[in-house]
Amino acid sequence: SQQGEEDPQALSIQEGENATMNCSYKTSINNLQWYRQNSGRGLVHLILIRSNEREKHSGRLRVTLDTSKKSSSLLITASRAADTASYFCATPEGGFKTIFGAGTRLFVKA
Amino acid sequence: NAGVTQTPKFQVLKTGQSMTLQCAQDMNHNSMYWYRQDPGMGLRLIYYSASEGTTDKGEVPNGYNVSRLNKREFSLRLESAAPSQTSVYFCASTGSKGGEVEAFFGQGTRLTVV
Repeated sequence: SQQGEEDPQALSIQEGENATMNCSYKTSINNLQWYRQNSGRGLVHLILIRSNEREKHSGRLRVTLDTSKKSSSLLITASRAADTASYFCATPEGGFKTIFGAGTRLFVKA
Repeated sequence: NAGVTQTPKFQVLKTGQSMTLQCAQDMNHNSMYWYRQDPGMGLRLIYYSASEGTTDKGEVPNGYNVSRLNKREFSLRLESAAPSQTSVYFCASTGSKGGEVEAFFGQGTRLTVV
């Protein structure tokens, strides 16, 4: 079963709007990571948030983590057409395995 | 910096044929992984290798075998390909960055079994 589950499955917004994606997970974690995948390409690491952190920023990305609810959110502010991609949350399992959710497909209309 | 390199990028097989997907990383990572990604689904772990000389089954190992040839290389073999193995395959390796584990991915192999 998937450790991380993203919500929504798909999101379509206008350029300049903010995009929010959510991820829920099942077991206790040391950290949670977000990845981006452009169509037909491999995954690229975006940001990692540790279990003792509640919020983290990287450029236009803002990630929050609520360990009590076992959930995380990824906010992309002032979205651009180039942000069109699938976004995955990933959590470690068994110390070093990384388990991925099904992803959120984001489409940013110019 | 090559990172994780997978070959081939595309492959079409007939049912019953065999093939090996190659993966190499130049980051001196201990752990390597093979995932498959099907439309509308996340990545599912096929096999992983925690370190050179060890391999373990992941979530969907049936129909696959792996070899950790050395620290750099981790290959995935389909002995008798089936249409259900049509998928995009990703190799990954993990290493520590700032004390936390980060995964690095290859560009993927798009496999079609007809």
